[in-house]
Amino acid sequence: QQQVKQSPQSLIVQKGGISIINCAYENTAFDYFPWYQQFPGKGPALLIAIRPDVSEKKEGRFTISFNKSAKQFSLHIMDSQPGDSATYFCAASGNAGNMLTFGGGTRLMVKP
Amino acid sequence: GAVVSQHPSRVICKSGTSVKIECRSLDFQATTMFWYRQFPKKSLMLMATSNEGSKATYEQGVEKDKFLINHASLTLSTLTVTSAHPEDSSFYICSAGGGGRSPDTQYFGPGTRLTVL
Repeated sequence: QQQVKQSPQSLIVQKGGISIINCAYENTAFDYFPWYQQFPGKGPALLIAIRPDVSEKKEGRFTISFNKSAKQFSLHIMDSQPGDSATYFCAASGNAGNMLTFGGGTRLMVKP
Repeated sequence: GAVVSQHPSRVICKSGTSVKIECRSLDFQATTMFWYRQFPKKSLMLMATSNEGSKATYEQGVEKDKFLINHASLTLSTLTVTSAHPEDSSFYICSAGGGGRSPDTQYFGPGTRLTVL
């Protein structure tokens, strides 16, 4: 059972545009929602994370928006750059400590 | 952030041999380490979870006798792929949790590309 659904699977954005990736979860016990960025042949790197007590968190060009009632959260990349081209994974964890449930990933390509 | 290393980064072996992959958390003590397998263009598939000094917990469908996990200390975990076969060829990634700037999350190693001939 896939508990975190991520969309789209792939995304093409022009340089300078906004990239938006969405995730939806089912388990209401989830209370921590990180996003990871992965380049080909590398391990995922923690990008930004949010807890349900806030609706938005911003770090530089990256913003997480969180909608607790809808059980949805999204990553917005402002002023997208070719160097942002990577695969992005959303994840969620809850009472089981730091056990993460991952979304299926989104392959982002930012065209120059 | 937190730094997790993996060694080797790339290994090629013959069918039937065993391969050991090391995972180290370099700047924090990890209460839990995780091992994942990732197929091309796919998400991460959790293989097992290990806590220092105790037996690993394997996910359904993962053969514990084939994928041996040892978590000897709070900074080191090893995955041994025993009697490797071509179908074991994959990208193996470890992660460490319970430390770093965010104890709730996992910090990933750079991965190990295993190719079994």
